[in-house]
Amino acid sequence: GNSVTQMEGPVTLSEEAFLTINCTYTATGYPSLFWYVQYPGEGLQLLLKATKADDKGSNKGFEATYRKETTSFHLEKGSVQVSDSAVYFCALSDSGGGADGLTFGKGTHLIIQP
Amino acid sequence: GAGVSQSPSNKVTEKGKDVELRCDPISGHTALYWYRQRLGQGLEFLIYFQGNSAPDKSGLPSDRFSAERTGESVSTLTIQRTQQEDSAVYLCASSLVGGLAPGELFFGEGSRLTVL
Repeated sequence: GNSVTQMEGPVTLSEEAFLTINCTYTATGYPSLFWYVQYPGEGLQLLLKATKADDKGSNKGFEATYRKETTSFHLEKGSVQVSDSAVYFCALSDSGGGADGLTFGKGTHLIIQP
Repeated sequence: GAGVSQSPSNKVTEKGKDVELRCDPISGHTALYWYRQRLGQGLEFLIYFQGNSAPDKSGLPSDRFSAERTGESVSTLTIQRTQQEDSAVYLCASSLVGGLAPGELFFGEGSRLTVL
């Protein structure tokens, strides 16, 4: 079956630090990959996505590259801000006949300190 | 409203009682999903509606859980004879397309259920 594994949190960084949140996946078929973000008191919202190998998704200074050879989709940002504090979820959608909807990781709580 | 609306935002109930959670998706979105988010866990898929097709109930954890959707509008998730392990945040999401390659999902803020 499909699964997503992401690094455990919380991850605590200082403002302007470099961020990496690791995400690896297993899937049948050819999945699309997503990062969702949940800010405090809000619903999940799509941060970025990539639909095929070697694609790079980017938004709000965040980037993630779809690496088929390592089955990874690590989230990176060069200089984080306090406003980036949130829970980040890696997810996949399997276009090869898997379950409808998305398979999510457990989420990584990111805390940015001023 | 412009987004996915869920109610109630918080529900505290006693073990054994029935609860009903409501989701109002974005107008025009044909696909609707329910997920469960237990403390410290990822999102667990529960059920999926796509248009007038039969729903995919493969994620429902027991026969105490059921959900309905009228056409492409409001959905209700019902949990009968609640147990303490049902305590979680129940998230609803909608999208323009569903099936094997869903588009972006738009989530509500969730309904937090606490079973005493």
